[in-house]
Amino acid sequence: DAGVIQSPRHEVTEMGQEVTLRCKPISGHNSLFWYRQTMMRGLELLIYFNNNVPIDDSGMPEDRFSAKMPNASFSTLKIQPSEPRDSAVYFCASSSRLAGGLLYEQYFGPGTRLTVT
Amino acid sequence: GESVGLHLPTLSVQEGDNSIINCAYSNSASDYFIWYKQESGKGPQFIIDIRSNMDKRQGQRVTVLLNKTVKHLSLQIAATQPGDSAVYFCAENMDTGRRALTFGSGTRLQVQP
Repeated sequence: DAGVIQSPRHEVTEMGQEVTLRCKPISGHNSLFWYRQTMMRGLELLIYFNNNVPIDDSGMPEDRFSAKMPNASFSTLKIQPSEPRDSAVYFCASSSRLAGGLLYEQYFGPGTRLTVT
Repeated sequence: GESVGLHLPTLSVQEGDNSIINCAYSNSASDYFIWYKQESGKGPQFIIDIRSNMDKRQGQRVTVLLNKTVKHLSLQIAATQPGDSAVYFCAENMDTGRRALTFGSGTRLQVQP
C-alpha cells in the first residue's frame, strides 16, 4: 500500500487566491482527518469524516475553509480566499474503525506545505 | 489547549542509552492514547498506542506507560539510536463522543553519537 497520498507537496500562492489541497486515504480506511501544523499552535484537527460524511468541523478556522469527501478514496481541503496566516503544513490522515466504533491509529500523509505571500 | 510554541522541550541522550519522554494529558475521561514520531519534513508516524484499561504496553524497543491517577503518559525507548532523533507527540482521544485525537505540543529527542 502506498500509504496516504497528498498533493501538492508544496504550494506557494498569493493572498486572495484559492488553494485546493488533495488527499487519497489508505484503501479500506473509513475515517479521514485534516490537520494543520504550525510552530505556534502545533498540530490542530480541522475536520474529520467517517464513511465520507463530515462528523466534526469545529476545528475549521472560518468560512474561508471548506472540505469535501465525494467518495471513499478522495478528499479536498479548500481555502478561498487564502491569507498569509494560513501558511502552515496541512496533513491528511486516515484510519479504520474497530467494531463498536473504537478509534484506531491514524496514518498520516507527507503533508502539503502551504505558503501564502 | 494551546501548544507551547517555538521552543519545544528537548531531550538529549547518548546513543545506546535509554530515553524516557513524558507527556501530561488533559482529560481524565480519555480512553485512548497514541505516541507519534515526526521526522523533519515528514508526517507523524505511529509508534505505539494504549487504551485506558491498560497501564503498560510494549513494542519493539518501545514501551508506553499510562498513569491515570496523575494523567501521565510516558514513552520509553531502549538502546536509543541516531535514527530515533525526531519530535515525539503524545495524543489522546479527549472527547469519546467526538472520536478524534488531540495532540500535545511535542518533545524533541536528540541522540548524540
